[in-house]
Amino acid sequence: EVQLEESGGGLVQPGGSLKLSCAVSGFTFSGSAMHWVRQAPGKGLEWVGRIRSEANNYATAYAASVRDRFTISRDDSKNTTYLQMNSLQSEDTAVYYCTKVATGTTASGYWGQGTLVTVSS
Amino acid sequence: DIVMTQSPDSLAVSLGERATINCKSSQSVLYNSNNKNYLAWYQQKPGQPPKLIIYWASTRESGVPDRFSGSGSATDFTLTISSLQAEDVAVYYCQQYYGTPYSFGQGTKLEIK
Repeated sequence: EVQLEESGGGLVQPGGSLKLSCAVSGFTFSGSAMHWVRQAPGKGLEWVGRIRSEANNYATAYAASVRDRFTISRDDSKNTTYLQMNSLQSEDTAVYYCTKVATGTTASGYWGQGTLVTVSS
Repeated sequence: DIVMTQSPDSLAVSLGERATINCKSSQSVLYNSNNKNYLAWYQQKPGQPPKLIIYWASTRESGVPDRFSGSGSATDFTLTISSLQAEDVAVYYCQQYYGTPYSFGQGTKLEIK
């Protein structure tokens, strides 16, 4: 069974940093691209970014709203992907989900339960 | 960047009736080399993560009831629920995965009339 579990969320002051983790099981993590998606309270979904597999040179891509502030990485030995968030702003307050693509497509077929990040003084 | 626009923002339909949600992309998400539309639909219920229900614009994810169907091509897409059930109350999102940044529509809230 595919499982994704995010952790690391919490309260952080504006301008601060936070690193989220997403531990996965139930599939070959090293061969899978992983995505991060966020959802501000009461709002819609926003794609944050993705990291591809080693075979695809761990290529990353980001939304314009987070580029240059957020960095996605992965540790295939730990079956974990990370989201390093710097220079956090109030508009970054959201539930952050990690996702894995479904079989036979590159749409996000598997989602974690999410972790809440609150940016406030 | 590709902008996804859904309509309507909210929709109230009677049980057993048809529900239709539209999604329009600012540029084509049809990849000519494989003739696939890189368009997905998700269902999100309160307090839950989104659930993939349709991909490649019209392929139902495993386990999704056949009352859900997707159609359209290039820039115009539709999610149809043929006979609304109470458990279908949710917010529905379309997403293009043709190119990064992958973008979502703003969501359509589906309720029972």
